[in-house]
Amino acid sequence: EVQLLESGGGLVKPGGSLRLSCAASGFTFSNYAMSWVRQAPGKGLEWVSTISGSGGSTYYADSVKGRFTISRDNSKNTLSLQMNSLRAEDTAVYYCAKGCGSTCYSDYDFWGQGTLVTVSS
Amino acid sequence: DVVMTQSPLSLPVTLGQPASISCRSSQSLVYSDGNTYLNWFQQRPGQSPRRLIYKVSNRDSGVPDRFSGSGSGTDFTLKISRVEAEDVGVYYCMQGTQWPITFGQGTRLEIK
Repeated sequence: EVQLLESGGGLVKPGGSLRLSCAASGFTFSNYAMSWVRQAPGKGLEWVSTISGSGGSTYYADSVKGRFTISRDNSKNTLSLQMNSLRAEDTAVYYCAKGCGSTCYSDYDFWGQGTLVTVSS
Repeated sequence: DVVMTQSPLSLPVTLGQPASISCRSSQSLVYSDGNTYLNWFQQRPGQSPRRLIYKVSNRDSGVPDRFSGSGSGTDFTLKISRVEAEDVGVYYCMQGTQWPITFGQGTRLEIK
C-alpha cells in the first residue's frame, strides 16, 4: 500500500526557514518523480516543485524559485523541501505527491495527507 | 502558462441526478507524444486530493464507474451519472502537458 507521510510544518516568522519532509513507502521510491503541491487556506491547488526519480532534474514554480529547494534521498525513501525567505503568501497546506514514473511529470496518482505551514509574525 | 478554467464553480445537485463539470485550457493539451495529459481530482472535505481520471478518460482503480471523463484539445468534461452523498467535495482539473503544471480553480459540488 502506497503511503506518503509529510512532516515539518509549523509556524514561522516572515523571512524564516522551514524544512518539510515526506516519508514514502509501498512503492519503489527511486522509480518515481515526486512533487510538492500546496493549498492556501480556502483556496485551490498550486504546483510548487518536482524532482525526477534520480534527483538529477528539478523544477520550480516562479513563485518559489530561488527560495525553495527540493531534494530526495532514495536510500531513505524521503522527499524534502527546504523553504527559505518565507512570506505570508507561502502559508498553505503542503502535499507531497507521487508522479507517474521516473521522468513522468504529468500526473500525480497518490497524495499525502499534507502538512500546514503558517508564515506570520 | 496554461490557464485552466472550470465551470461552474459551484454545483448544487439532487441525489441521484447527473452532474457535469467543464474544464477549458488556454492552449491545446496534446503533447508531442500524442497523449493529452488532463487529469481530474476529487477533494472531499478535510481530505487530501484523490485522482479520479488520468489522460482525459482513464478511470483510476477503485473509482466508481458513475464517473467518466471526456474531451480533447482544449475542452474537457467530468461527468457523474448519478450523484451520491459521498461525491460532495471540490473537483479540480489539472494539465500536465506543459510546465508549469496548472490546476483549474475547482468546482464545489454540494447536495441540493
